[in-house]
Amino acid sequence: GQQVMQIPQYQHVQEGEDFTTYCNSSTTLSNIQWYKQRPGGHPVFLIQLVKSGEVKKQKRLTFQFGEAKKNSSLHITATQTTDVGTYFCAGRRDSGYALNFGKGTSLLVTP
Amino acid sequence: SQTIHQWPATLVQPVGSPLSLECTVEGTSNPNLYWYRQAAGRGLQLLFYSVGIGQISSEVPQNLSASRPQDRQFILSSKKLLLSDSGFYLCAWSVSFNEKLFFGSGTQLSVL
Repeated sequence: GQQVMQIPQYQHVQEGEDFTTYCNSSTTLSNIQWYKQRPGGHPVFLIQLVKSGEVKKQKRLTFQFGEAKKNSSLHITATQTTDVGTYFCAGRRDSGYALNFGKGTSLLVTP
Repeated sequence: SQTIHQWPATLVQPVGSPLSLECTVEGTSNPNLYWYRQAAGRGLQLLFYSVGIGQISSEVPQNLSASRPQDRQFILSSKKLLLSDSGFYLCAWSVSFNEKLFFGSGTQLSVL
């Protein structure tokens, strides 16, 4: 079945450093979504990418969808302590299927 | 606006006891509903999803079952809990499969 792999599992950065998490699928995805889960909280939707090669930005966050629609990345520029949490990618094989989540990347930012 | 309610927030149950977690959605009709499990603060595993009343799809074989007795109500059940059922259970809804998920606040289940 479809698998969504996410790396790294953990990342510890100093405030102000950049951060990137990568997501790879074993199959072509129809779209990919990113979620953020703060410690003790529930996942909250960040963005959805649909088109091959798509790039979207949200302030310091940049999301990319690969040309082959099999991989994606989330890059945070100049991290802040408010960025702490676990970032999940979730891919859908086809429009008729539910999302499959990666295992997430837990980001720790120290001041 | 739409809201999702999930309860209880925490639950401690002995091995072999039954389980019933409930989730309700307000402010929308005929949502897709989902149950996810998150083990030890890690990835989200899709357990069940439903596209309509009485329609349940199971993603993984397990000790759990789900039901959707009403349009905006989704229930996760077990007749006999196992230690391995411990985890953080999240209910979610979406307008359709292609739309974003809205998660409930989750239930932390500890089976002892």
